[in-house]
Amino acid sequence: EIVMTQSPGTLSVSPGERVTLSCRASQSVRSNLAWYQQKPGQAPRLLFYGASTRATGIPGRFSGSGSGTEFTLTISSLQSEDFAVYYCQQYNNWPPLTFGGGTKVEIK
Amino acid sequence: QLQLQESGPGLVKPSETLSLTCTVSGGSISSGSYYWGWIRQPPGKGLEWIGNIFYGGSSYYNPSLRSRVTISGDTSKSQFSLRLSSVTAADTAVYYCARHYTSGWIDSWGQGTLVTVSS
Repeated sequence: EIVMTQSPGTLSVSPGERVTLSCRASQSVRSNLAWYQQKPGQAPRLLFYGASTRATGIPGRFSGSGSGTEFTLTISSLQSEDFAVYYCQQYNNWPPLTFGGGTKVEIK
Repeated sequence: QLQLQESGPGLVKPSETLSLTCTVSGGSISSGSYYWGWIRQPPGKGLEWIGNIFYGGSSYYNPSLRSRVTISGDTSKSQFSLRLSSVTAADTAVYYCARHYTSGWIDSWGQGTLVTVSS
């Protein structure tokens, strides 16, 4: 099973700041990585697949990068609606599909 | 527009079987482009993939749950279902049904349903 590790666990930021979230895989997943955003009481929402391909309707301030074992989700200028928990998920080698533990982006 | 809706009991007794159904509208579960599956999230914790099915007959399960899980589908009702046997309190979670691309990423989710295991 591929283990996904996200860091940091919590990020305290101010609106307008640039945010970088990290995701590391225990072995190479090539570019077979997705990112999701989850707000309280809601289902996750797909942000990226293929590590850097933005899903439909995702604003341009979000970007994804990386391949192999190291991945990054960047929010160029944090908006109030971006405060949420972000998860990465590998789909290179499954079953099982595996998720990282999440990074919570909270208001500073 | 694709919509997925979970339904089933919100309370299950320990050692019994958890059964949930996902009703799909706005799309066909017999499409060859997608898997249909389940993910769960214990309160305050992260996401755990349970398994999925494909309408070519394949099904895939998380090895950690494989011995207790069955996912099946009914194309005539546009539904697919989850059965998880011998539940314990550790199975208490919000259960989401979802559509997976065949590659494995998940593009559509139901709203989720909380299932509590308690006597």
